[in-house]
Amino acid sequence: EIVLTQSPATLSLSPGERATLSCRASQSISSYLAWYQQKPGQAPRLLIYDSSDRATGIPARFSGSGSGTDFTLTISNLEPEDSAVYYCQQRSSWPSFGGGTKVEI
Amino acid sequence: EVLLVESGGGLVKPGESLRLSCTASGFSFSTYAMNWVRQAPGKGLEWVSSISTVGSFIYYADSVKGRFTISRDNAQKSLFLQMNSLRVDDTAIYYCARDLNTIFGVGRNWFDPWGQGTLVTVSS
Repeated sequence: EIVLTQSPATLSLSPGERATLSCRASQSISSYLAWYQQKPGQAPRLLIYDSSDRATGIPARFSGSGSGTDFTLTISNLEPEDSAVYYCQQRSSWPSFGGGTKVEI
Repeated sequence: EVLLVESGGGLVKPGESLRLSCTASGFSFSTYAMNWVRQAPGKGLEWVSSISTVGSFIYYADSVKGRFTISRDNAQKSLFLQMNSLRVDDTAIYYCARDLNTIFGVGRNWFDPWGQGTLVTVSS
């Protein structure tokens, strides 16, 4: 089983700042990583897949990078609507998710 | 517009069964692999099961293997999850999710989009 560890647990930032979220895999997963955004009371939404490819309709402010075991989601020019919990997910083996990072704007 | 609508959730006792449904619209259902993902109250996400376009390939998380059965009816554009021998720790919102890409009938396990979810509560 591949374990994904996300950090920090909570990130508090101001509008216009940049958020950097980390996801570390317990073993190499190549570039098989995705990021999801979940707002309260809503279903998750796919932001990034294959480590760095943006899903349809996702603003360019969201970018992903990394390979192997270390991955980053960067949100530039934060907006109040970016307040949410962000999850990473791997598909190198049976799908698994990280514990999430809560971003407060 | 792609739409996934889950139904069938509710309150059941440990050991009982429940069948969830997911009705799809706005896309060619038969050409996409489909998935179930759940989220316990206040907790993170857990993949439950996946099924290929014609049901030839089916996968389950270890936590539900032998108790849950995924199936689909392409003519009715519907996905199902039969849940037997339910346990208290199966309590969660169950989301139906389409696979982002399906290659040769098998999904790549990127989940997009998701339905709004249906709540399953297992309690005595």
